[in-house]
Amino acid sequence: SAVISQKPSRDICQRGTSLTIQCQVDSQVTMMFWYRQQPGQSLTLIATANQGSEATYESGFVIDKFPISRPNLTFSTLTVSNMSPEDSSIYLCSVEPGQQETQYFGPGTRLLVL
Amino acid sequence: AQSVTQLGSHVSVSEGALVLLRCNYSSSVPPYLFWYVQYPNQGLQLLLKYTSAATLVKGINGFEAEFKKSETSFHLTKPSAHMSDAAEYFCVVSDQWTGNQFYFGTGTSLTVIP
Repeated sequence: SAVISQKPSRDICQRGTSLTIQCQVDSQVTMMFWYRQQPGQSLTLIATANQGSEATYESGFVIDKFPISRPNLTFSTLTVSNMSPEDSSIYLCSVEPGQQETQYFGPGTRLLVL
Repeated sequence: AQSVTQLGSHVSVSEGALVLLRCNYSSSVPPYLFWYVQYPNQGLQLLLKYTSAATLVKGINGFEAEFKKSETSFHLTKPSAHMSDAAEYFCVVSDQWTGNQFYFGTGTSLTVIP
């Protein structure tokens, strides 16, 4: 398994601003993922972030809106840019430790945009 | 393509009663199947997983699930519900051919009535 932390745990932001969410893992992992969970809904994959390559975005998500960094094997950031109230969601990162075919999730960042 | 259907977005059971949360999947290749639980204001926790070993999988907190290929189902059960089981439950399918991308069901909210 893996222990994952996220910062901040929650935030309230004004529209038009940007927020960077950090994800830290207690072990080196190749595959990291960022998800969005809108209120009362399931999880939607935003992008896959593998160390050493550009993040791969899912349909409906673009790099300009959700830039991702992956500087090493234990850390990643997701920025939510030029926020609007529609961006109010829980953002979760997850990791897949090698050859386990299982994802482990961080506690999430609860974002409210006013 | 892979997809997951969770029947019943809300399920209520009495404390001590059987818990049955339904999940049907669609996959063109042998799937990996997971159940995750999300307690209020928390991240996702892995309950159990099926990755082509025994078809009856036992997980944490007394939960188990049975993979039935003929029915394309992976229902989650627990013999006796406890108040602490109240949470959101997600069924997930993935397969090794899509880089282990996770496909989430819409979730089932479990209420336990004292």
